[in-house]
Amino acid sequence: NAGVTQTPKFRILKIGQSMTLQCTQDMNHNYMYWYRQDPGMGLKLIYYSVGAGITDKGEVPNGYNVSRSTTEDFPLRLELAAPSQTSVYFCASSYSGRPNYGYTFGSGTRLTVV
Amino acid sequence: AQTVTQSQPEMSVQEAETVTLSCTYDTSESDYYLFWYKQPPSRQMILVIRQEAYKQQNATENRFSVNFQKAAKSFSLKISDSQLGDAAMYFCAYRSLLPTFGNEKLTFGTGTRLTIIP
Repeated sequence: NAGVTQTPKFRILKIGQSMTLQCTQDMNHNYMYWYRQDPGMGLKLIYYSVGAGITDKGEVPNGYNVSRSTTEDFPLRLELAAPSQTSVYFCASSYSGRPNYGYTFGSGTRLTVV
Repeated sequence: AQTVTQSQPEMSVQEAETVTLSCTYDTSESDYYLFWYKQPPSRQMILVIRQEAYKQQNATENRFSVNFQKAAKSFSLKISDSQLGDAAMYFCAYRSLLPTFGNEKLTFGTGTRLTIIP
């Protein structure tokens, strides 16, 4: 059972470049999330999805886009990368029928924008 | 909106001793879940323990236990018999139980870095 898989694990981008962070889960979870973790700031929600075709903004959505065409996949798109987007990104999933189970997290992507 | 506060950016404890990490939260809701997550240097987020607000009994998982004070909106984590493998960042998190779109997400505190002294 793979759980939540994120790719890539590390990436260096130049200012203005774009990229997509991939996230897939095999647990049939209906909820999926993208967080970013900055040093000393905890985790901030970027976008989330409650099911295929349904997404909404979190606390810090500017500069990002998402789509959810299937239950399994929830890619995060960075357009025109900026140094402020240097962070560690986590994808997570959960099941609405088990809210007390919390999230299952991916292993994170460390992104550096130079 | 709910907020979660962890007022101890760093803590240290001698191996085999007991340490308590603090967490307070602000909410107007009566039903919710609280969690503690551990993030070791590997970066993986690991669920340590959970507490349902409607349960008065404090949750326990082996060496980990919580002190849940609902009226004070406090949710501290106690680690007994600390081990070197407990060294990590610890995050407190809140989840609403209201069936409202957008309430499915977790709100995290800023974390406490725990160091274990051999």
